[in-house]
Amino acid sequence: GQNIDQPTEMTATEGAIVQINCTYQTSGFNGLFWYQQHAGEAPTFLSYNVLDGLEEKGRFSSFLSRSKGYSYLLLKELQMKDSASYLCAVRRTFFQTGANNLFFGTGTRLTVIP
Amino acid sequence: NAGVTQTPKFRVLKTGQSMTLLCAQDMNHEYMYWYRQDPGMGLRLIHYSVGEGTTAKGEVPDGYNVSRLKKQNFLLGLESAAPSQTSVYFCASGLEKQNTEAFFGQGTRLTVV
Repeated sequence: GQNIDQPTEMTATEGAIVQINCTYQTSGFNGLFWYQQHAGEAPTFLSYNVLDGLEEKGRFSSFLSRSKGYSYLLLKELQMKDSASYLCAVRRTFFQTGANNLFFGTGTRLTVIP
Repeated sequence: NAGVTQTPKFRVLKTGQSMTLLCAQDMNHEYMYWYRQDPGMGLRLIHYSVGEGTTAKGEVPDGYNVSRLKKQNFLLGLESAAPSQTSVYFCASGLEKQNTEAFFGQGTRLTVV
């Protein structure tokens, strides 16, 4: 199985920086994804880490430490449109079949206030 | 660009009724998935498929069946709907290669009364 934990809710101010943490325990780890999901919409891909370190994509960065089972998503220069849920997901590869599956945490609902 | 398309978008069922949710993708992906999303539970994997003609169980498969007769389509069936199956269902495809993500459909909101 897998255990993926992230905070339930966070609030931050427009223009600020916010860090959303995710810890995981799983076998067959083969990458960590962050998705954004606005209310009533589908999840959309934000970032992906398979090796340790920081990946930067514009205002969004994601960090991974495989030895610690830890990742974070960093959002800079927050905008009102960043109010959404942020989903941490672990890709597991099953040794027997080679199949890849994606398992999600419960999500962090971020509210950006003026 | 269609991507992943789910039908229907909304449905209300009575307990005991059956229905099929259709997922279609036009990205030539081998892998397809069905998830359900409930408040406080996150996305949970129901069934998945690694290619045409193959299916496998995920975390919460009970009460659901799936079929992948064509590569581009992945069907999710509820034979006898129960109120516990009230949820938002998402289909996804992709995730095959090391650095590729899964793409999600827009979801189906199902209510079982």
